[in-house]
Amino acid sequence: GIQVEQSPPDLILQEGANSTLRCNFSDSVNNLQWFHQNPWGQLINLFYIPSGTKQNGRLSATTVATERYSLLYISSSQTTDSGVYFCAVETSGSRLTFGEGTQLTVNP
Amino acid sequence: DAGVTQSPTHLIKTRGQQVTLRCSPKSGHDTVSWYQQALGQGPQFIFQYYEEEERQRGNFPDRFSGHQFPNYSSELNVNALLLGDSALYLCASSLGSEQYFGPGTRLTVT
Repeated sequence: GIQVEQSPPDLILQEGANSTLRCNFSDSVNNLQWFHQNPWGQLINLFYIPSGTKQNGRLSATTVATERYSLLYISSSQTTDSGVYFCAVETSGSRLTFGEGTQLTVNP
Repeated sequence: DAGVTQSPTHLIKTRGQQVTLRCSPKSGHDTVSWYQQALGQGPQFIFQYYEEEERQRGNFPDRFSGHQFPNYSSELNVNALLLGDSALYLCASSLGSEQYFGPGTRLTVT
């Protein structure tokens, strides 16, 4: 099956810093989603981005499908950005395959 | 507009017992998928329901079964519970490709 690798596994920032999270995948995908999992376990949709670039406030994402990777940018980080960020790809029949996540900690 | 809802929030069961988890999809969504998330890992796909039929299944044993009702809500049943079934169970709904997740049910098997 398809492999999804996220890096870095852990990231610690000071409030106000910028960061880039990476997602590599081993095969062609139909779609790609980024999620933020809060401490209570809720997965919050950040981006639905099979290709191209999207921006939503301080967050933006870019997927280069031909090179099999996606990047999530977080600018001017805040403590509320802390949590686990997951990349998930859709292959056949709309099942999502998740990476292992990036644990982000933003310190005040 | 209500999002995806799941019940119960938490559940404690004994090894060998059976459990039923419930999910109501986001309004207008017709497809429900279930995922299992063990501690420290990413969610893993269990199965997906569409038009009351299991459309896809991940690498989970037959102890895991499900159902979708005419109103698109869904149940996940797990028989003969093992300690390793302790996890967060997430339900996602979709109309098309983008999936939206519920808050999850945290199952502890003792």
